[in-house]
Amino acid sequence: SQTIHQWPATLVQPVGSPLSLECTVEGTSNPNLYWYRQAAGRGLQLLFYSVGIGQISSEVPQNLSASRPQDRQFILSSKKLLLSDSGFYLCAWDWDRGFDNEQFFGPGTRLTVL
Amino acid sequence: RKEVEQDPGPFNVPEGATVAFNCTYSNSASQSFFWYRQDCRKEPKLLMSVYSSGNEDGRFTAQLNRASQYISLLIRDSKLSDSATYLCVVTALNYGGSQGNLIFGKGTKLSVKP
Repeated sequence: SQTIHQWPATLVQPVGSPLSLECTVEGTSNPNLYWYRQAAGRGLQLLFYSVGIGQISSEVPQNLSASRPQDRQFILSSKKLLLSDSGFYLCAWDWDRGFDNEQFFGPGTRLTVL
Repeated sequence: RKEVEQDPGPFNVPEGATVAFNCTYSNSASQSFFWYRQDCRKEPKLLMSVYSSGNEDGRFTAQLNRASQYISLLIRDSKLSDSATYLCVVTALNYGGSQGNLIFGKGTKLSVKP
């Protein structure tokens, strides 16, 4: 069966500090991978998606970046955090068999920027 | 018009009640539709896909009206454990050039009381 891991689970960081969130998927190969952010009282916002190693598409301009160094690893980074970066960050995957697929989410990282 | 609209609720119902959630979407090119459930401070989890013919899973029934761009979720015999936020989700195929991405509603909060 497939599992998706995220760490850390919670993070409190000062404004201007760097960020690195990691997501890994087990039990599948060549998945599509996604980073979402859910701000308090708001819906999920797609930040990045990746259809393969080194292939990253950005959905919204921001001070975040993503990388996919390995097939089942997806990393979200920032060089300098802003207060507005606070939120619940969710990684998700789906099957690489075309689109319109349901996505499966990791447990998330709750980030607070102070 | 927002891409996916839901009544935010909250819906406060007694145990055993029947409750219905509605959702409208703006992209007529959307191909796939889902309901996700999100518990407080947890990741969204797939509840069920929504098919054109309507589908049922135990106490849950989902229906789709493509002509009206409307999706519904009916929960019969509500349980305390049904308390959660229910997210309406549609695909964004061919929408703004993004492929395979899911568009999430902000969710409808359900609270089932004893």
